[in-house]
Amino acid sequence: GESVGLHLPTLSVQEGDNSIINCAYSNSASDYFIWYKQESGKGPQFIIDIRSNMDKRQGQRVTVLLNKTVKHLSLQIAATQPGDSAVYFCAESWGLGSYGKLTFGQGTILTVHP
Amino acid sequence: NAGVTQTPKFLVLKTGQSMTLQCAQDMNHEYMSWYRQDPGMGLRLIHYSVGAGITDQGEVPNGYNVSRSTTEDFPLRLLSAAPSQTSVYFCASSYGGLTNQPQHFGDGTRLSIL
Repeated sequence: GESVGLHLPTLSVQEGDNSIINCAYSNSASDYFIWYKQESGKGPQFIIDIRSNMDKRQGQRVTVLLNKTVKHLSLQIAATQPGDSAVYFCAESWGLGSYGKLTFGQGTILTVHP
Repeated sequence: NAGVTQTPKFLVLKTGQSMTLQCAQDMNHEYMSWYRQDPGMGLRLIHYSVGAGITDQGEVPNGYNVSRSTTEDFPLRLLSAAPSQTSVYFCASSYGGLTNQPQHFGDGTRLSIL
């Protein structure tokens, strides 16, 4: 409901710590997942994606884990920096011919303290 | 390389006015989409296009029209602005084909309806 949407989950960490942001997705048929970072006043910025035939994928300082059994996705950020402070969204898509359509999660606010 | 460009960045309309939000991409992407983002929430799909001349409805299409006469441009038209359409609007694009690719977003148009 609207009250849920106004209170995003938050995560506060110290600079240098590792961060883990979680996402529960809705559709068991989803086969493509993306993490986006959104800074204030900006559009979502692509971080990393993963397809359903994988359970882990690594990028630069980031790792995405996919657990299809419990429909759970996580984003791990290593050595978190103040510049990582933002809202993080997971998004899912399903099926051939999904034409780029994405269903977004609510978002998590990450705050990194120097 | 400009990526996805949205204009205007800010807009104030009166109830009942009509207006077109512009979106252009220079990456030769086939797929383009419009999303809206309400405070504290993820993005919701309004309309999408899989190529020039082809558009379809997303999750929240009512009150909006789109057209796609060229690969580069995908304007969103508000037919008769209502206060419920106060939101931030994002345009996105991605490569086509049946294998999902990341959507790339513009920096949004912040719209207020009085």
